[in-house]
Amino acid sequence: EAGVVQSPRYKIIEKKQPVAFWCNPISGHNTLYWYRQNLGQGPELLIRYENEEAVDDSQLPKDRFSAERLKGVDSTLKIQPAELGDSAVYLCASSPSGVRDTQYFGPGTRLTVL
Amino acid sequence: EDQVTQSPEALRLQEGESSSLNCSYTVSGLRGLFWYRQDPGKGPEFLFTLYSAGEEKEKERLKATLTKKESFLHITAPKPEDSATYLCAVGDYGQNFVFGPGTRLSVLP
Repeated sequence: EAGVVQSPRYKIIEKKQPVAFWCNPISGHNTLYWYRQNLGQGPELLIRYENEEAVDDSQLPKDRFSAERLKGVDSTLKIQPAELGDSAVYLCASSPSGVRDTQYFGPGTRLTVL
Repeated sequence: EDQVTQSPEALRLQEGESSSLNCSYTVSGLRGLFWYRQDPGKGPEFLFTLYSAGEEKEKERLKATLTKKESFLHITAPKPEDSATYLCAVGDYGQNFVFGPGTRLSVLP
């Protein structure tokens, strides 16, 4: 069974530029999560989807971050414009149904903002 | 607000030297406590889920236990390949999910 796929694996951009990350969850997993992980810290939840509905986006900085999950499968996380403090690893995870289930993580996208 | 702390921040062991990692939590209503392992440059990898105080789970050299306020990850006779960051997380009945900062484990040959 294929795991969670993320792309790109690495991205380097200048501040104020836009950037987008893509995630393909495990087939059949209804719940999708985006996390941000700063160096030496645990992942912090940005947004959680149940199918195509964003059910928890309370930690998403909505002035510059946006996300979508069309057709309840793939998801894209966008930052526009990027700031120096956005440098981090962005992780996508999926689970069969809700936070009661084990989450399976992708390898992450390491973003560097110069 | 749910909170998770982990100690120690970093731990260095000799191969074969058993030890324990601690995860302390405060949560409005515990749905589950999760342990993950994270290798450098990779996403977290699931290890265990514990649901109620007194529960224990084992996998190879790892054993996780749970009380009402904390969880322990016991590592018996560790090997260098056990070196990683171990993350603890809690999920509550409000569908919140919070990770701790992790413990960086180094096992020296």
